[in-house]
Amino acid sequence: EVQLLESGGGLVQPGGSLRLSCAASGFTFSIYAMSWVRQAPGKGLEWGSSISGSGGSTYYANSVKGRFTISRDNSKNTLYLQMNSLRAEDTAVYYCAKSIEGNSSVVDYWGQGTLVTVSS
Amino acid sequence: SYELTQPPSVSVSPGQTARITCSGDALPKKYAYWYQQKSGQAPVLVIYEDSKRPSGIPERFSGSSSGTMATLTISGAQVEDEGDYYCYSTDNSGNPVFGGGTKLTVL
Repeated sequence: EVQLLESGGGLVQPGGSLRLSCAASGFTFSIYAMSWVRQAPGKGLEWGSSISGSGGSTYYANSVKGRFTISRDNSKNTLYLQMNSLRAEDTAVYYCAKSIEGNSSVVDYWGQGTLVTVSS
Repeated sequence: SYELTQPPSVSVSPGQTARITCSGDALPKKYAYWYQQKSGQAPVLVIYEDSKRPSGIPERFSGSSSGTMATLTISGAQVEDEGDYYCYSTDNSGNPVFGGGTKLTVL
């Protein structure tokens, strides 16, 4: 059974940093691309970032490019999102999601999400 | 930037057919995908590559795509199908995009 467990969310001041983690199990982590998708309170889904199975290729939405860094440790089956220069508009539930196949950007399984609140 | 447009809400009575549309200029060349999100829960993939159903998704869920519009159809909608539905696709450069979401009410 595929399981994705996010952690690291919390309250942070504007301009601050936070690192999210996503522990994966139930599938061969290294052969699947992974993504972070966020959802602001009461709003829709927004793709944020993706990384290939090897970690060699990364992709970012314009809204987070230059501030967020996606990475993975295939030896630990863990996905990360380093978030710097956080803004109030980054407040959202952040979901970790597994690609439907290989390095596709389409995701099939999602974690339960971790809430990030950016506020002074 | 590329957009996928969905109606904000759709309402049907139990047993009726619900149709949720998603329009986008790149859909003639790109697949559409559909996610269901119930209140307080993570999204679930219900349709992939326009019309395929993942295992475990009830047969009443179906998808189609024609021209610039993709459609999610729930035949014989049930109260348990209530929630938000999001279409997903990519623009011509391969950038992922979600539609704005459609709130389905079954009552």
